[in-house]
Amino acid sequence: DIVMTQTLLFSTVTLGQPASISCRSSQSLVHSDGNTYLSWLQQRPGQPPKLLIYKISSRFSGVPDRFSGSGAGTDFTLKISRVEAEDVGIYYCMQTTQFPYSFGQGTKLEIK
Amino acid sequence: EVQLVQSGAEVKKPGESLRISCKGSGYTFNTYWVGWVRQMPGKGPEWMGIIYPGDSETRYSPSFQGQVTISADKSMSTAFLQWSSLKASDSALYYCARGYVLLFDPQYFDFWGQGTLVTVSS
Repeated sequence: DIVMTQTLLFSTVTLGQPASISCRSSQSLVHSDGNTYLSWLQQRPGQPPKLLIYKISSRFSGVPDRFSGSGAGTDFTLKISRVEAEDVGIYYCMQTTQFPYSFGQGTKLEIK
Repeated sequence: EVQLVQSGAEVKKPGESLRISCKGSGYTFNTYWVGWVRQMPGKGPEWMGIIYPGDSETRYSPSFQGQVTISADKSMSTAFLQWSSLKASDSALYYCARGYVLLFDPQYFDFWGQGTLVTVSS
């Protein structure tokens, strides 16, 4: 099974400043079809997870362009260019390259 | 508008059976996967399994194989998650999610239900 690791469990960022969250997989997430199925989801308090980014860097419909994803193989990053108050929550990376799918432990974003 | 609407919160006793549901609307239910995710209090989400309503192909994560049953009724555009004998450790929030598919397997999960809280207590 693929293990997803987010080493930073908490991140405190000043409003308007950038934030970066990293994620590593225990093996390459490149699928046999050539795509890499790494997603980022945001979970606000008391809410279901919400898809932000899929296939490493594609922004889902309606997601603000301050969110961006990058990476390849086993190392991935979610960046928020300028953090806003509504960005508070827990961010999970998730792989859907190989079943069973798996989430990272989550990184809790707090605003200073 | 794509929506996944889950059934309401449940309070059950250990040993009882339970089936919770996830109704899809705003899209062709048969042609997208539906996944189930468990989130225990204060913890991250865990994948339980997925089902393709079009042909009922179902896959279970090893931790949940034999512990739950995932099914779907195409005519009702509804997926189900079922337990035959609940344990206190099944107390959690359960989410369903739609799996976007281009060819065969889900590529990502784009729309999520609001969650169903299951409490198992004597």
